[in-house]
Amino acid sequence: AQTVTQSQPEMSVQEAETVTLSCTYDTSENNYYLFWYKQPPSRQMILVIRQEAYKQQNATENRFSVNFQKAAKSFSLKISDSQLGDTAMYFCAFMKPWGGSQGNLIFGKGTKLSVKP
Amino acid sequence: NAGVTQTPKFQVLKTGQSMTLQCAQDMNHEYMSWYRQDPGMGLRLIHYSVGAGITDQGEVPNGYNVSRSTTEDFPLRLLSAAPSQTSVYFCASSYLQGRDGYTFGSGTRLTVV
Repeated sequence: AQTVTQSQPEMSVQEAETVTLSCTYDTSENNYYLFWYKQPPSRQMILVIRQEAYKQQNATENRFSVNFQKAAKSFSLKISDSQLGDTAMYFCAFMKPWGGSQGNLIFGKGTKLSVKP
Repeated sequence: NAGVTQTPKFQVLKTGQSMTLQCAQDMNHEYMSWYRQDPGMGLRLIHYSVGAGITDQGEVPNGYNVSRSTTEDFPLRLLSAAPSQTSVYFCASSYLQGRDGYTFGSGTRLTVV
């Protein structure tokens, strides 16, 4: 069974600085998807960025980028120029391409990020 | 607006009571699911469905029932509420290929006393 591990329960960063959130996963599959979700105090789950395992190029969305190391099974999220609105819980998630139960999202336990002024 | 609609947003139940959490989506997504979120546990899958008439269990199905009579709706039923079911519940949907991730509802905070 696949597992997702986020080893940093809480992190903090100064406004305008850069922070990296760690995520590792365990799978024997070769093709899969990885996601980072943001959950602000409003409780809404917001997709931040996604990566397809067969693509070597790291995904980027504005100030958010990932460092995807397939061999190491690592998928870290880098937030550049941190803003107060980035304060949230961040969840890393894994999904195999759809096929019965294997297509469900498997979440890590989350990292609580606080951006300080 | 298109998306996933969950009701209610908050609910307090007494132990032993039953209730249904409602979930509806208007994006014609084949896949729908229910997760519960507990502190320090992330989100755990309760039940899911890949289309009308098809449901299956996830990681933590005990105490919950689901049905999927239409593509749009996927209600979650608590048969006899227990304090261990105090949690935040999320409904999510996606196309079956899933590569775009899930669209989540805004969540239901349930307290069982």
